Amino acid sequence: GQNIDQPTEMTATEGAIVQINCTYQTSGFNGLFWYQQHAGEAPTFLSYNVLDGLEEKGRFSSFLSRSKGYSYLLLKELQMKDSASYLCAVWDSNYQLIWGAGTKLIIKP
Amino acid sequence: IAGITQAPTSQILAAGRRMTLRCTQDMRHNAMYWYRQDLGLGLRLIHYSNTAGTTGKGEVPDGYSVSRANTDDFPLTLASAVPSQTSVYFCASSESGGAEDTQYFGPGTRLTVL
Repeated sequence: GQNIDQPTEMTATEGAIVQINCTYQTSGFNGLFWYQQHAGEAPTFLSYNVLDGLEEKGRFSSFLSRSKGYSYLLLKELQMKDSASYLCAVWDSNYQLIWGAGTKLIIKP
Repeated sequence: IAGITQAPTSQILAAGRRMTLRCTQDMRHNAMYWYRQDLGLGLRLIHYSNTAGTTGKGEVPDGYSVSRANTDDFPLTLASAVPSQTSVYFCASSESGGAEDTQYFGPGTRLTVL
């Protein structure tokens, strides 16, 4: 079966760094997305990885290891507005996005 | 309008009733999708359309139907609603439906079936 695992909830302090992990087992791999979703709102795109390595975009970075079926999202200089759920999604061999249940990130002052 | 709009924002529906959720995009994207999001579960694909005139089934299509008469609109119909269809429904679109394409989401419809 297809499976994407993320921690359910994480807590971090404003100004700190947090790493949200995602492991996946899917039928094929055609890329991995990270989305941010604030409570009651729609998901919005953060990053896309298809090759191994680190992609940096401002305060957010995303890493991929295809051989390990593993990705992480790194958030630096945390701000209160970063409190949200972070969704990991993988394109499988059927060209459909398989989504993890998301990680709720709570930022404390 | 800019982006994707969905209507209604929320709806309470009696079981057995028919309901159509509307989705319109103005980005001229070829591909459109319907997802449902339930607490503790990831987004699950209901139906998709890679281009006007074509549709396909996703992971959880039973009880739902879609049509794609033109590029902009992608309505989702529940023929006879059941309580298990209580969920938040998101419509999304992407430029071509390719693996590298970002999907852009509408604001969602919160549906409660009693």
